[in-house]
Amino acid sequence: GAVVSQHPSWVICKSGTSVKIECRSLDFQATTMFWYRQFPKQSLMLMATSNEGSKATYEQGVEKDKFLINHASLTLSTLTVTSAHPEDSSFYICSASKREYVQYEQYFGPGTRLTVT
Amino acid sequence: KQEVTQIPAALSVPEGENLVLNCSFTDSAIYNLQWFRQDPGKGLTSLLLIQSSQREQTSGRLNASLDKSSGRSTLYIAASQPGDSATYLCAPAGQPGGGADGLTFGKGTHLIIQP
Repeated sequence: GAVVSQHPSWVICKSGTSVKIECRSLDFQATTMFWYRQFPKQSLMLMATSNEGSKATYEQGVEKDKFLINHASLTLSTLTVTSAHPEDSSFYICSASKREYVQYEQYFGPGTRLTVT
Repeated sequence: KQEVTQIPAALSVPEGENLVLNCSFTDSAIYNLQWFRQDPGKGLTSLLLIQSSQREQTSGRLNASLDKSSGRSTLYIAASQPGDSATYLCAPAGQPGGGADGLTFGKGTHLIIQP
């Protein structure tokens, strides 16, 4: 199997505080993990690509100083939303890439619902 | 930049019907395409992955076809059941630079199967 977990599943924080979200691949090693954001009734938008042991690559329009990504091991990536504002409220989903022979397949976590008050 | 369109945006049918969900994408230089389902407030569950060299892939009542040159993929759901109710997303994966690539998603087809 290929299971990806996220913690927490939901979090409420006050404006101006920071929140850390963890993404773990439980039964495989993932050199690459991805972070997506999904607003209500919208599709998933890729925020950044996280490679183990190196700096994350951010998509255009995503502030790297606001969304800090750390991928310190082959099974764990973290996303820290710094100085959160209400407009950061969203559903954050991570995925981990598993190599299957010559192809890569992405497995997604259950998501984290962030509400900033 | 890859753009993905899914039609229809929403579909509500009685159970038992065979369904067709359509996905089109603008950049045909892909190395695979995945279909996912997303239940409300949940993450994504991978349903099928079609490699660029394949024309179709089957899993149970699901069959996905891929016409890479025309930028189209279709998901067929046979004998639909209420448990199939969810949002279905397709995501073509671009050429990897030696590794995995982030996915571009369509807005999905919101499917409701009436008991």
